Amino acid sequence: DGGITQSPKYLFRKEGQNVTLSCEQNLNHDAMYWYRQDPGQGLRLIYYSQIVNDFQKGDIAEGYSVSREKKESFPLTVTSAQKNPTAFYLCASQTGLGTEAFFGQGTRLTVV
Amino acid sequence: QKEVEQDPGPLSVPEGAIVSLNCTYSNSAFQYFMWYRQYSRKGPELLMYTYSSGNKEDGRFTAQVDKSSKYISLFIRDSQPSDSATYLCAMGNQGGKLIFGQGTELSVKP
Repeated sequence: DGGITQSPKYLFRKEGQNVTLSCEQNLNHDAMYWYRQDPGQGLRLIYYSQIVNDFQKGDIAEGYSVSREKKESFPLTVTSAQKNPTAFYLCASQTGLGTEAFFGQGTRLTVV
Repeated sequence: QKEVEQDPGPLSVPEGAIVSLNCTYSNSAFQYFMWYRQYSRKGPELLMYTYSSGNKEDGRFTAQVDKSSKYISLFIRDSQPSDSATYLCAMGNQGGKLIFGQGTELSVKP
């Protein structure tokens, strides 16, 4: 089945630790995104990538990092510099900018 | 001012009602528009994609775009309890990133 797979579904992080969220797609899409969703708020863009080995900061990139070494994969690292990382993280992909975007099922990150 | 404004609700309607969900936007460069449905603790699911002004229908759902007014709507006919979810509008232009509304929480009561 084609789709976007995010893992893990739930993730717990201790204060001061870096954690990496996985996003893999087998849709052959060029563009990939990471969003953060907090209760009662919409989706806020963290980073996006239009092509392998290239990515751009979104509106709330501070405290996050990404890589795009393969077309299929766009992992997100939440660093210790992110002051309030507890949130629901969503990965999405598009064939190209201007086309439909499809989402994974999300990763819920909790700081303990 | 946000680029995309969406009433967060919550919106509560009886089963069978017609539901109207709306977004306004400020960027006249937006060319394509989407509506997503998101159930609690799940990823958003694409419902409708439109590229121009006018209406697009898919079953009980109709998406309407009015570029002159910078206003888009999603209508749900014969609403069902299973339609209870948060509905997100999204829009963008060629070469630009997607911008999302805040989402409207809808509850359809049996």
